[in-house]
Amino acid sequence: DSGVTQTPKHLITATGQRVTLRCSPRSGDLSVYWYQQSLDQGLQFLIQYYNGEERAKGNILERFSAQQFPDLHSELNLSSLELGDSALYFCASSARGTDTGELFFGEGSRLTVL
Amino acid sequence: DAKTTQPPSMDCAEGRAANLPCNHSTISGNEYVYWYRQIHSQGPQYIIHGLKNNETNEMASLIITEDRKSSTLILPHATLRDTAVYYCIALSMYSGGGADGLTFGKGTHLIIQP
Repeated sequence: DSGVTQTPKHLITATGQRVTLRCSPRSGDLSVYWYQQSLDQGLQFLIQYYNGEERAKGNILERFSAQQFPDLHSELNLSSLELGDSALYFCASSARGTDTGELFFGEGSRLTVL
Repeated sequence: DAKTTQPPSMDCAEGRAANLPCNHSTISGNEYVYWYRQIHSQGPQYIIHGLKNNETNEMASLIITEDRKSSTLILPHATLRDTAVYYCIALSMYSGGGADGLTFGKGTHLIIQP
């Protein structure tokens, strides 16, 4: 158990819909990262927050957005969903900002878009 | 961050040492070598990291060549539960991009045979 909690574990929705994935980092961790893993792609970095502020951005689509709240939990919002958005979405946290490569990953949220 | 190259797959007999190579010939002086693994559809798990010296922890040993152009992750007594995709990542600690620097390639699919 990494200490990172993601909900929901599974989600099935239709094209055009909007969903929100939630992540609770390990206690005390200030950084939260979001990754996407689809069947034909590796782990793709989406975005990172540090103590409520966006810190780094990767291959995140404009239809996707994220935020980190004062209690340090984070949400990833996916809108206008397409079939290709079906994937595992992982959240990770780390104790410091960008000066560590030791991330703790949650078990992921599996999104299926029909 | 430096690109890393790993064999796509490897087999190892249960109980034997699994040696996973990684080439990072363009690694720079301030880049660490990180290893993660991902057991099927679970969140990636941090294993070990190092800069110049060899490192050992309860999970594995990391051997980095003197010129730092390659490294080997050693699982001393592989078990069936070590079957996973293993990722070698070169990460710069000073770029401020520690998050997007944590780029997962395709890794090595290690299969432990009974």
